[in-house]
Amino acid sequence: EADIYQTPRYLVIGTGKKITLECSQTMGHDKMYWYQQDPGMELHLIHYSYGVNSTEKGDLSSESTVSRIRTEHFPLTLESARPSHTSQYLCASSEDRGGLHGYTFGSGTRLTVV
Amino acid sequence: GESVGLHLPTLSVQEGDNSIINCAYSNSASDYFIWYKQESGKGPQFIIDIRSNMDKRQGQRVTVLLNKTVKHLSLQIAATQPGDSAVYFCAGNNDMRFGAGTRLTVKP
Repeated sequence: EADIYQTPRYLVIGTGKKITLECSQTMGHDKMYWYQQDPGMELHLIHYSYGVNSTEKGDLSSESTVSRIRTEHFPLTLESARPSHTSQYLCASSEDRGGLHGYTFGSGTRLTVV
Repeated sequence: GESVGLHLPTLSVQEGDNSIINCAYSNSASDYFIWYKQESGKGPQFIIDIRSNMDKRQGQRVTVLLNKTVKHLSLQIAATQPGDSAVYFCAGNNDMRFGAGTRLTVKP
């Protein structure tokens, strides 16, 4: 079983609210990632981190921020939620060089902004 | 670039038949290539990987073939079952971006 956890599993929130999606892993992986995925669509990389105090923007990151204060924790924050943010958000981690088994994904947070 | 693209977006097979899912990659720097399975409402899960210096690897009911000359991967699923219905992605272990995937539908 994957040792990467995302909370909440589902979230319905009003427009303009600030939200933080949590992601934690217990595998000691250095690299962590956030992806956004609409139903039936590809994964879009929005942020990634190579380790503590390292964060980089991906392809769709202009409206969210991340932090990496601890190895195991990589939260994603939306300062002001909009209906266009409605999507599934997937967190993943990997060993330093992608590792033998590549990426380990969490179960995702399905966000609905009304 | 780091893109990985798939040849077919959807594949429909009859239960019990064999399935073949194809994938093209552009990043040759990976040490491994990996197939993931994503069931509805879940995150992608590791299925099988293959080292870049191999051309074939077999698992339980699955076989992955790697052709580095043409930068092509394929995933073969034997005796496809309804539980195999999912979206399948491939990626190199150094890739951070994934293609759209192939949606496999198994008809009973």
